[in-house]
Formats: sequence, structure tokens, C-alpha cells
Amino acid sequence: DVLMTQSPSSLSASLGDTVTITCRASQSISTYLHWYQLRPGQAPRLLIYAESTLPTGVPPKFSGTGSGTDFTLTISSLQPDDIASYYCQQSFSLPYTFGQGTRLEI
Amino acid sequence: QVQLVQSGSELKKPGASVKISCKVSGYPFTSHALNWVRQAPGQGLEWMGWINTNNGNPTYAHGFRGRFVFSLDTSVSTAYLQISGLKADDTAVYYCARDQISAGYMDVWGSGTTLIVSS
Repeated sequence: DVLMTQSPSSLSASLGDTVTITCRASQSISTYLHWYQLRPGQAPRLLIYAESTLPTGVPPKFSGTGSGTDFTLTISSLQPDDIASYYCQQSFSLPYTFGQGTRLEI
Repeated sequence: QVQLVQSGSELKKPGASVKISCKVSGYPFTSHALNWVRQAPGQGLEWMGWINTNNGNPTYAHGFRGRFVFSLDTSVSTAYLQISGLKADDTAVYYCARDQISAGYMDVWGSGTTLIVSS
């Protein structure tokens, strides 16, 4: 199985800050890397797919980069509704696997 | 609009069974596979597997073989997750999520079903 390692596990930042979350795969996964936002009590939301593509409706304050084994999610201009946990997920090979998550606090 | 509507919270005793539903609307039911994802208390997301909505063929992740069964009722555009022999460790929120099989990401999620297993 592809092991996904996210860092940091938690992150505290201020309103207006820019933060970066990293995700490392145990083997190359090309760009089969996706990011999700999970707010308490809500359904997970797809933020970025295929490493850097934003679905319709996701603001460009979210961006993704990387390929192979190392990926980053950057969130700019932090706002209160960015309080959430963020997860990476690989779909290069089955089973799909998620990172352990990053809890973002403002 | 595209929606996945899941059944409500469940409280079950150890050893019992539960069947969680995920009703699809807003797109052809058989056009996308459906994933099941679990989040145990204080834990991250865990992929349980998926079901091919064209032929009903399920694929289970390693830790979800045996007591977990994915099924469909295409007449009502609904997928089901049945768990038998419930254990306290099964306490979690269970999500269904639509799969974009071309790239393997989950673009639409249900709101989750909370299962509590307690005596």
C-alpha cells in the first residue's frame, strides 16, 4: 500500500496568513494526489484534484503543487471558515490511502 | 443538483448488524462508482472500498473484508453498507462518496452517518 505522510499534524496561524501543508508518498504516485477539507459536522469537500486542479466553486486561495512523491497544499489569506482538517489522498494504486490529516487552527 | 443523502445516526449493541444507505440524485446512478470512507473518533479518513454501480462488483480494502458488505438497489439509486457482528471499534462516521474513476478522486460526498456501538 502507498503510505501517505502529512505534515504538520496541526497548525496554528493568524487571519490573513498563508500556510502550507505537505504530503509525502512512500512511492511515486505521479499526480494522482487530491486534497480534501473536512469541517466539523460537515461532509468532506474536494479542494484540489490531480495535484493542482481546483473543482468549480473552490476559490483560488487554495493551490496545490508537486509530483512524484512530494506535494503541497497552500492556503492563502486565511479566514475563519478555513478552520478545518485537511487530508491528502492518493489514487495511483489501490487501496486508496489518505494522509493522517492536518488540523488548522486560526 | 448532485446529492448523496445518507441515512440517519444509528446506535447498536455489540454483535448486532446495521445497514447504512446512500441515496444518489442529480446524475445517472450507474455512471460513477461509489466509495465508502470511515472516520473513527479522533482519527483520520480511511478508505473502506468501493462498489461498481454498473455491475454491483465490490472492492474492499484490507481491513474491511468479511463483516462489511457493499450492495446496491439500482431501482432506487441507492447504495448500502452493511456491517455485521458489530464491535465497539466500528464506532465511527461512515461516508459515501462519488468516485471520478478516471483519476480516482471523490468529488461529491454524503453528509455522513454516525454509528455508535455500545452496550
